[in-house]
Amino acid sequence: GAVVSQHPSRVICKSGTSVKIECRSLDFQATTMFWYRQFPKQSLMLMATSNEGSKATYEQGVEKDKFLINHASLTLSTLTVTSAHPEDSSFYICSAAGTDSYEQYFGPGTRLTVT
Amino acid sequence: DAKTTQPPSMDCAEGRAANLPCNHSTISGNEYVYWYRQIHSQGPQYIIHGLKNNETNEMASLIITEDRKSSTLILPHATLRDTAVYYCIVSRGSARQLTFGSGTQLTVLP
Repeated sequence: GAVVSQHPSRVICKSGTSVKIECRSLDFQATTMFWYRQFPKQSLMLMATSNEGSKATYEQGVEKDKFLINHASLTLSTLTVTSAHPEDSSFYICSAAGTDSYEQYFGPGTRLTVT
Repeated sequence: DAKTTQPPSMDCAEGRAANLPCNHSTISGNEYVYWYRQIHSQGPQYIIHGLKNNETNEMASLIITEDRKSSTLILPHATLRDTAVYYCIVSRGSARQLTFGSGTQLTVLP
């Protein structure tokens, strides 16, 4: 299947700083990318959906000014957690979908710890 | 998208078939049944999907009842590496968001 990478795989940052997470589709063009968040022992929760070249659509309760999403190309989406706080510590996972596939391909996830 | 119901946990002996059930009684005609799994601290992995007919690939088989209100994922010869949380999801297609429930924790025992 197709490959989606995320970078970094884990990051520790201080409270108040911003962190950028990259999501890349390595061998296909991702017209739609999704960002999920997963807290310990919980399921994945969708944060936002982004289509290449368009503004992201955020789920209810997700602050768009805090979680900045950019999907400027068909192979790259970024999630920036601005002014991170300890409660933002979580496992962030992206997924990507092309126009001619029934599958969503998931990245390996990024473990964010805010101290 | 329709909601799904899965048992929270199941055990299976290594080498035996693992049968994971899923109820999706409110599924509509244009919704697919997808199965993903998530091994601890990794991103979800696609397993299989179907609309009406039974499907089989190198990983698993998917059996969908005639009324489409339930389905079963079958891992024919479970190995220890199949220990994971298995999610049954109903969706209208790949470019649609996936709503993850709590899934079934499958533990394959030696």
